[in-house]
Amino acid sequence: QSALTQPRSVSGSPGQSVTISCTGTSSDVGGYNYVSWYQQHPGKAPKLMIYDVSKRPSGVPDRFSGSKSGNTASLTISGLQAEDEADYYCCSYAGSFWVFGGGTKLTVL
Amino acid sequence: QLQLQESGSGLVKPSQTLSLTCAVSGGSISSGGYSWSWIRQPPGKGLEWIGYIYHSGSTYYNPSLKSRVTISVDRSKNQFSLKLSSVTAADTAVYYCARTVRITIFGVVISYYMDVWGKGTTVTVSS
Repeated sequence: QSALTQPRSVSGSPGQSVTISCTGTSSDVGGYNYVSWYQQHPGKAPKLMIYDVSKRPSGVPDRFSGSKSGNTASLTISGLQAEDEADYYCCSYAGSFWVFGGGTKLTVL
Repeated sequence: QLQLQESGSGLVKPSQTLSLTCAVSGGSISSGGYSWSWIRQPPGKGLEWIGYIYHSGSTYYNPSLKSRVTISVDRSKNQFSLKLSSVTAADTAVYYCARTVRITIFGVVISYYMDVWGKGTTVTVSS
């Protein structure tokens, strides 16, 4: 099984919006609505930001939103803030196992 | 509040077996609706799911690691464990444990994700 495909880096200025894509196949992203997104700051454990494609856990700002179309899922962060600078990973159920994306480094300019 | 804490050998020699434990506090490992996962992250690289064990004891592993991985649970200690055999330098990574939530209604899975993670423990494979 291959890792999901994410852009290696994205950037945006404070207040702007950015979208991170996550492309898989019909066997993972396209086949299940169990896509989640994780934020990871350097030296820290991943933190759940979005689950089940578009649901936000309690405590995650509504600036974070998720969606999916076909085999591609997306994470959108609006109103960028300095503390959003981090690595972001998508993750999808693939039928008895899970697969992660390669990660995207978000830089807030 | 649920917390997970990894522990185990930080340095393992090539060809030996890596052994880690994840202690669960603030909740029972036997609670229905949850499975318990291991994920790893090599230095400077992305996340890789290793496998998980359901509260029932059923296990599922990453196909690429399946021949070398064993995950088990010790309900009396409220912890679960990972063993990875025949390690090489490629197994050097930060290893995380995490809770996987699986919500079903009338047998249909309506929600499935990993929510609570441990802080991670670094394992180096070197002679």
